[in-house]
Amino acid sequence: AQKVTQAQTEISVVEKEDVTLDCVYETRDTTYYLFWYKQPPSGELVFLIRRNSFDEQNEISGRYSWNFQKSTSSFNFTITASQVVDSAVYFCALSSPVGSTLGRLYFGRGTQLTVWP
Amino acid sequence: DAGVIQSPRHEVTEMGQEVTLRCKPISGHDYLFWYRQTMMRGLELLIYFNNNVPIDDSGMPEDRFSAKMPNASFSTLKIQPSEPRDSAVYFCASSLSAGGLGTQYFGPGTRLTVT
Repeated sequence: AQKVTQAQTEISVVEKEDVTLDCVYETRDTTYYLFWYKQPPSGELVFLIRRNSFDEQNEISGRYSWNFQKSTSSFNFTITASQVVDSAVYFCALSSPVGSTLGRLYFGRGTQLTVWP
Repeated sequence: DAGVIQSPRHEVTEMGQEVTLRCKPISGHDYLFWYRQTMMRGLELLIYFNNNVPIDDSGMPEDRFSAKMPNASFSTLKIQPSEPRDSAVYFCASSLSAGGLGTQYFGPGTRLTVT
């Protein structure tokens, strides 16, 4: 079964602090995809990144970076020098390109990040 | 390019009434997904379509829920009769392909309140 766990329900930091959001996943598939989405207070779900299971290289995009480690089944998300605008709920998700679960995005419960000025 | 469009953005209705939510996917996307988000259950996939055909409706909670996709640019999610426990935010998403091969892009959501 596919499962995504985001153990951190809420995180609060002060502006300019670095913060890491944890994501642990479970799957029996050898090929799968991992995603991060952001849900700001306005409510929409914004796509941030997609990684496939064969690409374990870390990725950096501006202040955002992602650390994918197959050995620990983790896909963690770090925001460097956080800003108030980063305040949002962040969701990690898992998808499989094959089998009976094709098409489904399995979401974690999300981590509410609050960045204080 | 226009993203996924949903209407209405907010809907307040009384228990027992019929509710219809609408979605226009991104042009060229052939997968369309309906999700529901609640505090209790988080984000749940209700149903998804490929080329206008329903592929997996196992997430539809009960017979009161139905979804259609009459053409590539329009889908509806209907609840009849509505109940207070249906109150949630309903998201529509679309993608070029499924299973992670295509990224799902979400609409702004419809916040449904059933009193």
